[in-house]
Amino acid sequence: DAGITQSPRHKVTETGTPVTLRCHQTENHRYMYWYRQDPGHGLRLIHYSYGVKDTDKGEVSDGYSVSRSKTEDFLLTLESATSSQTSVYFCAISYTGTSGSNGELFFGEGSRLTVL
Amino acid sequence: AQSVAQPEDQVNVAEGNPLTVKCTYSVSGNPYLFWYVQYPNRGLQFLLKYITGDNLVKGSYGFEAEFNKSQTSFHLKKPSALVSDSALYFCAVRLNTGFQKLVFGTGTRLLVSP
Repeated sequence: DAGITQSPRHKVTETGTPVTLRCHQTENHRYMYWYRQDPGHGLRLIHYSYGVKDTDKGEVSDGYSVSRSKTEDFLLTLESATSSQTSVYFCAISYTGTSGSNGELFFGEGSRLTVL
Repeated sequence: AQSVAQPEDQVNVAEGNPLTVKCTYSVSGNPYLFWYVQYPNRGLQFLLKYITGDNLVKGSYGFEAEFNKSQTSFHLKKPSALVSDSALYFCAVRLNTGFQKLVFGTGTRLLVSP
């Protein structure tokens, strides 16, 4: 158990509304990630963070922003949700970046977002 | 850029029979390779990884995977399938240099029938 909590676990919202998903970890890991999972696409990286206030884009970052003001929290924001952002969102952490680590990820339980 | 292909959307096997879930990869360098499993309404769970050394890697729940550099493959195997192995399986790859992001395949659904 990597001590990852995602909230909310389920959310239904309307097109054009802002949405923020929260990922909280209890073990002080430096690297945190947001992925989305869609049928036929597997998992695709949205954004990742390598430290407080240090973030970078993944392969599907358009329409998403992130913030990391504390080590333990990584927030994903949809400024104006669209139906194409209906998905299951997963937060993950890794030990990558230190010698001897191999980059395997540990995932939260997911947040299912429906945009109507 | 690295990529992963899982050529089968679904694999069906009878309980007690051996199973194989296929994965091929493409990287411009030496890879780290991973398998994950996802049960319904859950996050992904790490199963096993290949870093270096022995081409046959053993992981959780009796699963193993064989790294084949010449065929750029990393197939997941189990000698005797269980109904409880039914789940979605993902292969993933990253380069073995510095910080590299993990790239996932599209997943293979394994159905084990009683």
